Amino acid sequence: EAGVAQSPRYKIIEKRQSVAFWCNPISGHATLYWYQQILGQGPKLLIQFQNNGVVDDSQLPKDRFSAERLKGVDSTLKIQPAKLEDSAVYLCASGNSVSGNTIYFGEGSWLTVV
Amino acid sequence: AQSVTQLDSQVPVFEEAPVELRCNYSSSVSVYLFWYVQYPNQGLQLLLKYLSGSTLVKGINGFEAEFNKSQTSFHLRKPSVHISDTAEYFCAVKGRRGGADGLTFGKGTHLIIQP
Repeated sequence: EAGVAQSPRYKIIEKRQSVAFWCNPISGHATLYWYQQILGQGPKLLIQFQNNGVVDDSQLPKDRFSAERLKGVDSTLKIQPAKLEDSAVYLCASGNSVSGNTIYFGEGSWLTVV
Repeated sequence: AQSVTQLDSQVPVFEEAPVELRCNYSSSVSVYLFWYVQYPNQGLQLLLKYLSGSTLVKGINGFEAEFNKSQTSFHLRKPSVHISDTAEYFCAVKGRRGGADGLTFGKGTHLIIQP
């Protein structure tokens, strides 16, 4: 079974530029999550989707971050304009009731803002 | 709302010695509990989870953890560590109710295995 796929793995941009990350969850997983992991910290939930609807985006900085999951499968996370403090790993994860409440993570997209 | 406290940011231990990584949580609702491991430049891999039943759960790579409801703890243990166990370990909780049920993580514990 294929895992959670993310791209790109690494990205370096200048502040005020924009960037987009893509995620394809495990097949059949209805729930998709985006997490932000700053160096030396635990991951922090940014947004949770159930199929193509948003369940929780309370910690998403909506002035610069946006995310969509239009067809209920893959998802895109966008940052515009980027700030230096957005340098982090962006982790996509997925799960469903069949996975026994377990959430599976992708390898992450590493963003450096200079 | 939930919160997770990992009491040690770093734990150095000699190879083949036992280790315990401590985790305490706070929640207003019942939770599921997880330990994840993160190797350098990689994503998070599930080590083990507590959903219900026996409070002692066994995971991959010889790790185990014990859920203690009265102390709201979920400490991770391994009787004999190997160099390959060097990694960052994260404790996490997830609300049992449906809806917004993303994981809440602790800050992580860096396990350093010394030869």
